[in-house]
Amino acid sequence: GQSLEQPSEVTAVEGAIVQINCTYQTSGFYGLSWYQQHDGGAPTFLSYNALDGLEETGRFSSFLSRSDSYGYLLLQELQMKDSASYFCAVNTGGFKTIFGAGTRLFVKA
Amino acid sequence: EPEVTQTPSHQVTQMGQEVILRCVPISNHLYFYWYRQILGQKVEFLVSFYNNEISEKSEIFDDQFSVERPDGSNFTLKIRSTKLEDSAMYFCASSGARQGNEKLFFGSGTQLSVL
Repeated sequence: GQSLEQPSEVTAVEGAIVQINCTYQTSGFYGLSWYQQHDGGAPTFLSYNALDGLEETGRFSSFLSRSDSYGYLLLQELQMKDSASYFCAVNTGGFKTIFGAGTRLFVKA
Repeated sequence: EPEVTQTPSHQVTQMGQEVILRCVPISNHLYFYWYRQILGQKVEFLVSFYNNEISEKSEIFDDQFSVERPDGSNFTLKIRSTKLEDSAMYFCASSGARQGNEKLFFGSGTQLSVL
């Protein structure tokens, strides 16, 4: 089967740094994406890694290690508005992207 | 920024009835998707569509489901005979990229409630 594992919940304080890990086991792999979803909203794209290494976009960075089937999303200078669910997603090839169960991030003042 | 639009935002139906969920993908995108999300759970892949045909579908996407692009702008998901367990948020998404379709643009969803 195919699986993506990520923690169900993470709590951090405003201004801190938080890392959300994702390990995957899929039949194919083109790349790892991260999406943010606020309650009642649609998933919105944050980042994508097709190759090993770190991608940085403002306060958010994403890392991939293909050999370890592992990636993470790093959020810096946390703000209250970052409280949301974060999903890792794998494009398994062709026309299919599958999502993990999501990590709910709580940012406290 | 261009966006994916979905209608209706909420749909209530009786078990056994047919529903059609509608989506207008971003105009220059070529790859279209339907996902669903039961409250508090993960986003589940249903189907992808390219060049007027289904590219991939999941085990969820059985004979009760169908998709169509009836014209140059709309993309629809039909559930022929709804079941209670079809109650979920249904998201349409589109992408302009073929390789890895790394960035999916999601609509705001249709909340389907089957009574």
